[in-house]
Amino acid sequence: EVVMTQSPATLSVSPGERVTLSCRASQSVNRDLAWYQQKPGQAPRLLIYGVSTRATGIPARFSGSGSGTEFTLTISGLQSEDFAVYHCQQYNYWPTFGPGTTVDI
Amino acid sequence: QLQLQESGPGLVKPSETLSLICAVSGGSIRSDGFYWAWIRQTPGKGLEWIGSTFYSGGALHNPSLKSRVTISVDTSKNQFSLNLNSVTSSDTAVYYCARHVWGSGGYYFDLWGPGTLATVSS
Repeated sequence: EVVMTQSPATLSVSPGERVTLSCRASQSVNRDLAWYQQKPGQAPRLLIYGVSTRATGIPARFSGSGSGTEFTLTISGLQSEDFAVYHCQQYNYWPTFGPGTTVDI
Repeated sequence: QLQLQESGPGLVKPSETLSLICAVSGGSIRSDGFYWAWIRQTPGKGLEWIGSTFYSGGALHNPSLKSRVTISVDTSKNQFSLNLNSVTSSDTAVYYCARHVWGSGGYYFDLWGPGTLATVSS
């Protein structure tokens, strides 16, 4: 099993700030990495796949980078609707998810 | 647009079988390039992939759950289902169904149902 870890667990920020979230895999997953946003009481929503490709309808302020074992999700100019939990997921092996980073005020 | 909706009993007794159905609307489950997945979420373990199936059969399972999981498809009803047997309290979770993209572009989950809470308790 590929174990995914995320840091920090919680990030307290203000609207308008630039936010960087980290995700690490226990072994190389190449570029087989996706990011999801989850709001309270809702299902996760796909943001990014293939490390850096935004899903349909996802604003350009969301961007992803990395390869191998280290990945980053950046939100440029945080908006009020972006306060949520962000999960990474690898699919180089059978799918596993990170525990999530909570972005709050 | 395609939508998924989970349904099933909210309460299951220990040692019994948890059975859930995912109804797919706004599109056909008979789509090449997609599998159909079950994922669960608990406060302790987070998101956990349970397994995925193609519309013509041939399911894939999380090795840690494989012995207890059956995922099947009913193309006539445009739905797929999950059976998880011998449940314990650790199987209490929100269960999601999702569309599992399957191709050269990757193997991620691009559409999700709203989720359903299943509680294991006597």
